[in-house]
Amino acid sequence: DTAVSQTPKYLVTQMGNDKSIKCEQNLGHDTMYWYKQDSKKFLKIMFSYNNKELIINETVPNRFSPKSPDKAHLNLHINSLELGDSAVYFCASSPHGAGELFFGEGSRLTVL
Amino acid sequence: GENVEQHPSTLSVQEGDSAVIKCTYSDSASNYFPWYKQELGKRPQLIIDIRSNVGEKKDQRIAVTLNKTAKHFSLHITETQPEDSAVYFCAATTGANSKLTFGKGITLSVRP
Repeated sequence: DTAVSQTPKYLVTQMGNDKSIKCEQNLGHDTMYWYKQDSKKFLKIMFSYNNKELIINETVPNRFSPKSPDKAHLNLHINSLELGDSAVYFCASSPHGAGELFFGEGSRLTVL
Repeated sequence: GENVEQHPSTLSVQEGDSAVIKCTYSDSASNYFPWYKQELGKRPQLIIDIRSNVGEKKDQRIAVTLNKTAKHFSLHITETQPEDSAVYFCAATTGANSKLTFGKGITLSVRP
């Protein structure tokens, strides 16, 4: 059983399109995150939700909109995709917003 | 906000030698310091962590040391093996529901 699963794993799309990445965790954790890893491998937090409530919102363009329908799911919707959005997006979860982060396998987004 | 610096950015060692990776942090309120390993094409995974009330922690061939006064912490890997080759990230946070700030990562190569 995959603890943190995200779909799709690969996404290739044209500039200007809108796309979504879905994430689900079966660990019973309260907190979920989206991280962006660019081509230089830098891991940067984008958003964090605790029990469906947004608690961390980094300086991210408002083209990025997270949605947490329940504490086991955190989705990421991106409008009007730009070349610079190309990256690997990792979903993660942790118990009570502290301690170990459990990452999903990542979703590689390529914007052409 | 917290700033985590990691040095060096790349490290190459001979199999069997030891490797030391150093990180510095800026926020004296940070109290949790994890290390993540990311193999090529895989997700980051926690390998060891340390809290601010402890100076050193060991787990088989890996150890982490923390110097709160100097605000730096280090990862020590002894008897390195080719499978230790990966990107290693240090991180720091001030606690639950606070942002986990990652360093930029170091690529460790273990030469057979």
